[in-house]
Amino acid sequence: QKEVEQNSGPLSVPEGAIASLNCTYSDRGSQSFFWYRQYSGKSPELIMFIYSNGDKEDGRFTAQLNKASQYVSLLIRDSQPSDSATYLCAVSHAYSGAGSYQLTFGKGTKLSVIP
Amino acid sequence: EAGVTQFPSHSVIEKGQTVTLRCDPISGHDNLYWYRRVMGKEIKFLLHFVKESKQDESGMPNNRFLAERTGGTYSTLKVQPAELEDSGVYFCASSRLAGGRYEQYFGPGTRLTVT
Repeated sequence: QKEVEQNSGPLSVPEGAIASLNCTYSDRGSQSFFWYRQYSGKSPELIMFIYSNGDKEDGRFTAQLNKASQYVSLLIRDSQPSDSATYLCAVSHAYSGAGSYQLTFGKGTKLSVIP
Repeated sequence: EAGVTQFPSHSVIEKGQTVTLRCDPISGHDNLYWYRRVMGKEIKFLLHFVKESKQDESGMPNNRFLAERTGGTYSTLKVQPAELEDSGVYFCASSRLAGGRYEQYFGPGTRLTVT
């Protein structure tokens, strides 16, 4: 059974610090990796995606992927109180040309940025 | 561009009744997905349309659920008859078909409560 594991948290960081969110996945066939941010009662909002090993930076966000270790992470620099939300890690076979495009989600990590 | 829209935002029905959820994807997105989140659990995949065809319906829980996407535009998800365990938030997502882009964008969800 394909699984995506995340620490449920809550993860508390002071404003201005770096928040580090981690995710591991069990399916070695996974090729596409996504981070969604979900505020309470709202829908998941795509904030980062990564398809190749290494780092990908977008503004204050950096996604890191290590397929050999089956590990993906999200770093949030200069954390702001508005970053307080649940962060969902999701993986799929998309980009491999085989398998389903369905996303397999983790349960999410709740981040709290303390002013 | 307009995002994914879903209707209704909330639905409360009695066990045994029928409910139909609607999803309008982002214009130009041929991939359409349905997901569900039940309380305390992670978001789970239900099915995937490519245009009007069902590409993957491996996540559909049973034959009380019927999804359609006539004409390859909007989609409906009908639950008949509804059971208590069908309660949850039903999300629709869409993505492009080609161009090496696999990111899925989620709608606001329909919160279904079966009493």
